[in-house]
Amino acid sequence: ETGVTQTPRHLVMGMTNKKSLKCEQHLGHNAMYWYKQSAKKPLELMFVYNFKEQTENNSVPSRFSPECPNSSHLFLHLHTLQPEDSALYLCASSQDEGRNTEAFFGQGTRLTVV
Amino acid sequence: KNQVEQSPQSLIILEGKNCTLQCNYTVSPFSNLRWYKQDTGRGPVSLTIMTFSENTKSNGRYTATLDADTKQSSLHITASQLSDSASYICVVKGTNAGKSTFGDGTTLTVKP
Repeated sequence: ETGVTQTPRHLVMGMTNKKSLKCEQHLGHNAMYWYKQSAKKPLELMFVYNFKEQTENNSVPSRFSPECPNSSHLFLHLHTLQPEDSALYLCASSQDEGRNTEAFFGQGTRLTVV
Repeated sequence: KNQVEQSPQSLIILEGKNCTLQCNYTVSPFSNLRWYKQDTGRGPVSLTIMTFSENTKSNGRYTATLDADTKQSSLHITASQLSDSASYICVVKGTNAGKSTFGDGTTLTVKP
C-alpha cells in the first residue's frame, strides 16, 4: 500500500451516465495528480493540484471535471464520456510540486465506457 | 518522438537470471529520473529516484544507474523472481515547469 486510495477500483458506465472517481491520501502531501493510462500508451498527466489549487490542465476535454476540496481528497467527475475514454485512471500525490519530490500512486480505477 | 525512450519493449527471462533495462532521454534541463514498477492493472510503485549528481542507487535486487552526460539510465535486476514480472517505467522530470515525461515502459516476464 502506498497510502493513496482510489475508489472504485472498477467502473462500467454508459455514455450518458454521470459518475465520479475518488482519491484519498493521508500522507500529508500537498500536491495531487490525475493520470490516464490507455492500453499500450505511456501515462498521460491530466490535472495537477497544489494546495487545493489547480496548477496544470493538459488540454483535457471538459467531460472530465476535477475537484479538490482539500489537500487530502481529489475527485474526477465524469459525464458524457466516449468509449475511447476507457482506460486506467491513476491518482498520485507528492509532498508538493517541487523538483525532487517523490510521487506515490494509487491502485487506479479501471473505467470502461459502453 | 517521446523524449524518454525505453528498451527493450519487452523481455522474457528465466527465474534466477539477471537482466538490464535501458532508458535514454532527451529531457533538458534535467531534475530527476525515477524508475517505477507497475503490475498489471495496478498503480506504479517507485523503485528508485536519482538526481543529477547520483550515478547509482540500489533498492534490494534493483540497481539503477545514471549517466547524465550521455542521458542514459539503466535498471539492473539481480536474481530475478516470478514476482518481478511487471512493466518497468522510466520517468524523467525536467526543471522547466517541473513536468514529468513517462517512457513507454518495458514489459518483463520472468518464467520458471
